[in-house]
Amino acid sequence: KQEVTQIPAALSVPEGENLVLNCSFTDSAIYNLQWFRQDPGKGLTSLLLIQSSQREQTSGRLNASLDKSSGRSTLYIAASQPGDSATYLCAGPLGGSYIPTFGRGTSLIVHP
Amino acid sequence: KAGVTQTPRYLIKTRGQQVTLSCSPISGHRSVSWYQQTPGQGLQFLFEYFSETQRNKGNFPGRFSGRQFSNSRSEMNVSTLELGDSALYLCASSSSQGALGTEAFFGQGTRLTVV
Repeated sequence: KQEVTQIPAALSVPEGENLVLNCSFTDSAIYNLQWFRQDPGKGLTSLLLIQSSQREQTSGRLNASLDKSSGRSTLYIAASQPGDSATYLCAGPLGGSYIPTFGRGTSLIVHP
Repeated sequence: KAGVTQTPRYLIKTRGQQVTLSCSPISGHRSVSWYQQTPGQGLQFLFEYFSETQRNKGNFPGRFSGRQFSNSRSEMNVSTLELGDSALYLCASSSSQGALGTEAFFGQGTRLTVV
């Protein structure tokens, strides 16, 4: 069974810290990987999409990398702010299909 | 540009009833995918529609079905509701086939409670 695992499950940090969220997957042939943010009771907001031919993507204070050979993706958040508090999920189509598999997410709290 | 619109936002149904949820994608997007989110199972893919045809389906029973109209709006139907169907149902739209194959835009979701 194809799986996506996110570590840590929860994180609480003071404002200003640089953060690393990890996502591992069991399929090295992953088509692409997408990072999302979800606020409580709301839908998902796409943060970064990394295609299989790419190694990383950057948007503002966010940087995501993809290492297919090791089955890992990392989301780096620079200079965290209270507004970054949310659950971060990674997802991708695994197993050579178009069916996306989601991780369980990392719940992030950034306190002032 | 309007985002993805899901209606209704909240719904309470009784076991055994059926329910229909609606999703209007971003204008010009032809792919709509549906997801179920529960505390126990997390986010799970239900199915994807592209150009009025179901393209991919997740591992859910036949009680879960959907359709897509010529204007790309999609509906999801759940028949014979069970308590375990209580969840946040999300839909996402994207510009090309393959759920999450390109940047996906999610709606706010429909919170379904089965009593």
